[in-house]
Amino acid sequence: GESVGLHLPTLSVQEGDNSIINCAYSNSASDYFIWYKQESGKGPQFIIDIRSNMDKRQGQRVTVLLNKTVKHLSLQIAATQPGDSAVYFCAENISGGYNKLIFGAGTRLAVHP
Amino acid sequence: EPEVTQTPSHQVTQMGQEVILRCVPISNHLYFYWYRQILGQKVEFLVSFYNNEISEKSEIFDDQFSVERPDGSNFTLKIRSTKLEDSAMYFCASRGQGETFFGQGTRLTVV
Repeated sequence: GESVGLHLPTLSVQEGDNSIINCAYSNSASDYFIWYKQESGKGPQFIIDIRSNMDKRQGQRVTVLLNKTVKHLSLQIAATQPGDSAVYFCAENISGGYNKLIFGAGTRLAVHP
Repeated sequence: EPEVTQTPSHQVTQMGQEVILRCVPISNHLYFYWYRQILGQKVEFLVSFYNNEISEKSEIFDDQFSVERPDGSNFTLKIRSTKLEDSAMYFCASRGQGETFFGQGTRLTVV
């Protein structure tokens, strides 16, 4: 069945370190993947996305890597800052639909000074 | 920057009552969605809406739920006869040609 999951429920890092958040997906029909950041009491906020015809995409301090062979997605945050503390969700979009998103379980990133 | 707005931010209702959650999607978007998030859990898809009709719905979206776009700007989710297990954050989202934008959510508490 459809599922998107995360390996680590909580990740603690020191300020300034790089963070890597991982995600596994199971649906081969997914063609678009998104990382969202959710701060306490707020809605999911778009961070970065990647289409299935790419294996890497870079943004400002963030990089998403896609490995379709093993159905794995990761989010790398460079020089992590206290403001990066939040729950991060990966989401997949299955092609051919109306772009509903299937979310993973979420990883909490805690940045310590 | 355009945003999806939701009202109210928090709604408390008694079990069995009807609630209407309101959303104003981004003005030039064509796809509208409702998602919910039970406390501590992942975000779950409820329903998508396009061209003035439901385009897809999940198993969660049973007969107690309905959506409506009564005018050119609002998008509502109605829950009839609320149950305790309906307590959750409800997020409205909209999409144009690119990314999906989410609102800040309505926290629904059924007592």
